[in-house]
Amino acid sequence: QQQVKQSPQSLIVQKGGISIINCAYENTAFDYFPWYQQFPGKGPALLIAIRPDVSEKKEGRFTISFNKSAKQFSLHIMDSQPGDSATYFCAAGNPQGGSEKLVFGKGTKLTVNP
Amino acid sequence: GAVVSQHPSWVICKSGTSVKIECRSLDFQATTMFWYRQFPKQSLMLMATSNEGSKATYEQGVEKDKFLINHASLTLSTLTVTSAHPEDSSFYICSAKQQPWDSPLHFGNGTRLTVT
Repeated sequence: QQQVKQSPQSLIVQKGGISIINCAYENTAFDYFPWYQQFPGKGPALLIAIRPDVSEKKEGRFTISFNKSAKQFSLHIMDSQPGDSATYFCAAGNPQGGSEKLVFGKGTKLTVNP
Repeated sequence: GAVVSQHPSWVICKSGTSVKIECRSLDFQATTMFWYRQFPKQSLMLMATSNEGSKATYEQGVEKDKFLINHASLTLSTLTVTSAHPEDSSFYICSAKQQPWDSPLHFGNGTRLTVT
């Protein structure tokens, strides 16, 4: 119930291509879905987040697509760049319900080749 | 933007000694702070939730006597690894959350602990 399943584990994309990372959850109480980007030796940094009242959110080259009925959400990185090479984590939480904890996916290591 | 500062960024200590890691929210008051542990190429494992002025809430399987957490003020939480052993070597990351309820979680840059 508390798990967030993330795929793929690793992803290699050519510069300029589209990177797509998928996550699925079970707990219908989740109402907050952030994505974090982590570079080696650094803490995760919030990239973009979505709430279930919208199906898509775009910030620059990063887009979250959300499918409430399927309990799935995904991160799309358009025009991927070598600087995007990092590990990406999806997460889910229920802050409106009083729980401030986030459940993280296992991460996806993205490599963008020049 | 909200900044969380974690110190030290890396530390090497001998078996049996204790190590203290500090986590500070620099430009906001953090009512709740979280401590995570991350093994190489793995996800973040929540260790405990720390609320200012009260005892930390530990996740199942985390030894509270080994990992002492103190949330002394709205801008500072500390994690002390007591009687450290090589298996405690890991990357420890803190995060902080501000009000209101829909504010994001901000992470520190982590502390690499190596116990020799």
